[in-house]
Amino acid sequence: QKEVEQNSGPLSVPEGAIASLNCTYSDRGSQSFFWYRQYSGKSPELIMSIYSNGDKEDGRFTAQLNKASQYVSLLIRDSQPSDSATYLCAVNPLGGAGSYQLTFGKGTKLSVIP
Amino acid sequence: ETGVTQSPTHLIKTRGQQVTLRCSSQSGHNTVSWYQQALGQGPQFIFQYYREEENGRGNFPPRFSGLQFPNYSSELNVNALELDDSALYLCASSLHSGSPYEQYFGPGTRLTVT
Repeated sequence: QKEVEQNSGPLSVPEGAIASLNCTYSDRGSQSFFWYRQYSGKSPELIMSIYSNGDKEDGRFTAQLNKASQYVSLLIRDSQPSDSATYLCAVNPLGGAGSYQLTFGKGTKLSVIP
Repeated sequence: ETGVTQSPTHLIKTRGQQVTLRCSSQSGHNTVSWYQQALGQGPQFIFQYYREEENGRGNFPPRFSGLQFPNYSSELNVNALELDDSALYLCASSLHSGSPYEQYFGPGTRLTVT
């Protein structure tokens, strides 16, 4: 069974610090990786996507991918209270062929303390 | 550009009843995926529709069925509702031929089965 694992948290960081969120996946053939942010009572919002090994930066967010270790992470620099949410890691296990279903982890709850 | 919309927002049904949920995809997107998100869990893939046909299905029983229309909008039908069907139902739209198969979620429909 293809699985995506995340630490459920809660992860608490002080305002202005770097928040580090981690995710591992079991399907070695996975090619596409996504991070979604979900505020309480709302739907998931796509914040980052990554496909190649290495880092991808977008504003305060950096996604890191290591396919050999089957590991993907999200760094949030200068964390703000508005970043407090659940962060979902999602993986496309088929590498883009056929159904583009996403397999999600259970999410990590992040709390940024003012 | 119009985002993904879903209706209704909330719904309360009785065990054994049937329900239909609706989704309009983001403009320019031709693929719709449905997910079920139970409280405290990540979204679980139900099925995906492309060119009005089912294009992949998760581990859900046949009483979960769907349709896609020529304008790419979609319906999710659930028959013989069970208490465990209570969840947030999410519709996501994407572009089938695009890369990286990013999926964008609508606001969701909160279904409560009593």
